Amino acid sequence: DAGITQSPRHKVTETGTPVTLRCHQTENHRYMYWYRQDPGHGLRLIHYSYGVKDTDKGEVSDGYSVSRSKTEDFLLTLESATSSQTSVYFCATRGADPGEQYFGPGTRLTVT
Amino acid sequence: EDKVVQSPLSLVVHEGDTVTLNCSYEVTNFRSLLWYKQEKKAPTFLFMLTSSGIEKKSGRLSSILDKKELFSILNITATQTGDSAVYLCAVEAPSGGGADGLTFGKGTHLIIQP
Repeated sequence: DAGITQSPRHKVTETGTPVTLRCHQTENHRYMYWYRQDPGHGLRLIHYSYGVKDTDKGEVSDGYSVSRSKTEDFLLTLESATSSQTSVYFCATRGADPGEQYFGPGTRLTVT
Repeated sequence: EDKVVQSPLSLVVHEGDTVTLNCSYEVTNFRSLLWYKQEKKAPTFLFMLTSSGIEKKSGRLSSILDKKELFSILNITATQTGDSAVYLCAVEAPSGGGADGLTFGKGTHLIIQP
């Protein structure tokens, strides 16, 4: 357990509304990641961060933005949610050395 | 584009059987291959492999990497119902700053029947 929490754990929202998901870690890990998991697609990288204020796009970044103002927090924002963004979102972290990523408990987001 | 392919996508066996899960990959700048287990919640780490031919072992689970043929296998011996899960294979292949995320396969859904 790498001390990763995600909030909220479940959310239902309407199309067109903004949504922010939060990932908080207590391990002082440098690298943080947002993935989404969908049936038939597996886990796909949305955005990642390699330090405070340093972020980059992943495979499926369209419609998402991120921010990292502190080492421990990585926010994922859907500016205008769409039904295609209904998914389970996982945050992950990794320390400075190459190695395994640790995953948070996930957020189940439903866009109606 | 990096690609990770797992097979089979699903597998049903009886308790006590031995299973072999497969993972092949096509990536540039390979660094490591990782196996995770997912049981209706967050993936949990099993193994990380970086060198060919060196078996990693943890109890009844073991895994090996072949960097020449670009694949890995995960073996589970004497399976138990608690081994039922989705097993995920992922490859780390950083393209630039070294912080890129993992590329995952779609997973193998393993069901162990009593």
